[in-house]
Amino acid sequence: DSGVTQTPKHLITATGQRVTLRCSPRSGDLSVYWYQQSLDQGLQFLIQYYNGEERAKGNILERFSAQQFPDLHSELNLSSLELGDSALYFCASSVASGSTAFFGQGTRLTVV
Amino acid sequence: AQTVTQSQPEMSVQEAETVTLSCTYDTSESDYYLFWYKQPPSRQMILVIRQEAYKQQNATENRFSVNFQKAAKSFSLKISDSQLGDAAMYFCAYRSEGRAGSYQLTFGKGTKLSVIP
Repeated sequence: DSGVTQTPKHLITATGQRVTLRCSPRSGDLSVYWYQQSLDQGLQFLIQYYNGEERAKGNILERFSAQQFPDLHSELNLSSLELGDSALYFCASSVASGSTAFFGQGTRLTVV
Repeated sequence: AQTVTQSQPEMSVQEAETVTLSCTYDTSESDYYLFWYKQPPSRQMILVIRQEAYKQQNATENRFSVNFQKAAKSFSLKISDSQLGDAAMYFCAYRSEGRAGSYQLTFGKGTKLSVIP
């Protein structure tokens, strides 16, 4: 157990809908990262937050957004969902921006 | 942009034998970190080993060791005395020092390792 908790573990929703994925980092970790894992794109970095502030953006679509709250948990919001958004979404956390990231178990999103 | 290449989509090894997974990367930076992550069927991403580019000594964690060749931009993972529990997807990842505090990982496509009893 890495100490990073993601909920829900599985999510099935219809095209056009909006969902929120939640991540609780390890105790004491200030940095949160979101990654998407799909068969065709592999593992891709989406976005990073550090102590509530956005630090870096990767290949994140405009339909997607994220935030990190004062208690350091983070949420990834996915809207106007398309079939191609079906993927495994990982959250990772680290103590500081430069330290090793530990991953949660992921949320499997299926868009039908 | 950095790229990470794992040229072996699949590999297999006999139980108790040794196997080496290959990884090459492309970067113009001098300071960076390299990682191997393991993803078993449970899909959890588990850190196997980490290497700092400024360290010449190869990292070792029990049965796992790396061969880090900075000039060749090569970072292979050696698994000794392979066990059934080692069967998984293995991902090589690169992390730069980042600008303005960004430290995202760039992953390779992965190598699926099977362990034969």
